[in-house]
Amino acid sequence: DAMVIQNPRYQVTQFGKPVTLSCSQTLNHNVMYWYQQKSSQAPKLLFHYYDKDFNNEADTPDNFQSRRPNTSFCFLDIRSPGLGDAAMYLCATSRGSGRPQHFGDGTRLSIL
Amino acid sequence: AQSVTQPDIHITVSEGASLELRCNYSYGATPYLFWYVQSPGQGLQLLLKYFSGDTLVQGIKGFEAEFKRSQSSFNLRKPSVHWSDAAEYFCAVGAWGSNYQLIWGAGTKLIIKP
Repeated sequence: DAMVIQNPRYQVTQFGKPVTLSCSQTLNHNVMYWYQQKSSQAPKLLFHYYDKDFNNEADTPDNFQSRRPNTSFCFLDIRSPGLGDAAMYLCATSRGSGRPQHFGDGTRLSIL
Repeated sequence: AQSVTQPDIHITVSEGASLELRCNYSYGATPYLFWYVQSPGQGLQLLLKYFSGDTLVQGIKGFEAEFKRSQSSFNLRKPSVHWSDAAEYFCAVGAWGSNYQLIWGAGTKLIIKP
């Protein structure tokens, strides 16, 4: 089945230690999104790629960066995680803007 | 401003009972509307969507939703819930601005009583 895969499912890192979360897709969708979701809250869009064009939300901290080396893969880099960055991180894809987004199962990030 | 309101933070229903989850939106144009479901520790799964046409939309898992333009609503319904429906449900509006993005409601947590 075509899908969105996030690795790892659970990630523990130390305060200030860089961490990378990964997302891959077999849907061949041209748009990929990264969301942050804290407990009992709606997802919050961090950024998205439309093809290779990177779009950063205005309130996404500078601490968060992303890479999309090819259509299938997208990475979320957190340069110096703080305690407030502990959350579920969700990757999603869509076939163009305005189309339904398909989500991975997320990576739960914990900060020690 | 564009917004989505889910008035119920949580709802408890008995297994086998009918369900309606409310969603109201504020958007200047004809909206794209979505309902997603999220089980604990999982990602979001699309239940159904409305883009245009028939205002009663059928989705997966026996869910349906009705778009009512006059009420700016897109309520989700199911005639008979199952224990496996216990989850968080999010309503979202697709909004076109400088970029397209989803405007999310705060979610409604559905609890099923045996």
